[in-house]
Amino acid sequence: KQEVTQIPAALSVPEGENLVLNCSFTDSAIYNLQWFRQDPGKGLTSLLLIQSSQREQTSGRLNASLDKSSGRSTLYIAASQPGDSATYLCAVREYGGATNKLIFGTGTLLAVQP
Amino acid sequence: DAGVTQSPTHLIKTRGQHVTLRCSPISGHKSVSWYQQVLGQGPQFIFQYYEKEERGRGNFPDRFSARQFPNYSSELNVNALLLGDSALYLCASSFTSSGVGETQYFGPGTRLLVL
Repeated sequence: KQEVTQIPAALSVPEGENLVLNCSFTDSAIYNLQWFRQDPGKGLTSLLLIQSSQREQTSGRLNASLDKSSGRSTLYIAASQPGDSATYLCAVREYGGATNKLIFGTGTLLAVQP
Repeated sequence: DAGVTQSPTHLIKTRGQHVTLRCSPISGHKSVSWYQQVLGQGPQFIFQYYEKEERGRGNFPDRFSARQFPNYSSELNVNALLLGDSALYLCASSFTSSGVGETQYFGPGTRLLVL
């Protein structure tokens, strides 16, 4: 059974710092991995999608990497800003099955202090 | 283009009641999935519908049901509400059924509180 874990559960950093969020998954048979941002009480905003054949994806100050063989992904945020404060979730789409079901981690709550 | 929309935004019900949540996917998207997110947890898959047919169901009791309409909008129904059904209910849309190679887009959610 696929399990997705995110470490740390919470992180507080000063503004301007670079930071890394971690995501690990137990079964490497995945089609893709997606990173989301969730503001308190709100829906999910898609940040980056990495296909299983890719090693990384970049969007602005965000860079996500994927090491499928080791079951790990990282989300790197450069020059963090208070507006980056949110919960960050990773999710995997497994091989097989007739659905597009995503399996989520429990998230990392990020606070960027001004 | 409008994103995924959900209604209502908030809802308060009492135990034993029934609730209907609604979702409209992004224009052109034919797949709608429903997720339940309990406070402090990641979302859990409930259902996927594609072209009005159920494509998958998560580990939820039969009190949960859903359907998709010809315009691809969807309803999630929950009968005999329990306190544990209190959660944020999220809807996601995508163009394909498989979700392989494409981003899934989520709506703002419906916050359900069962008293």
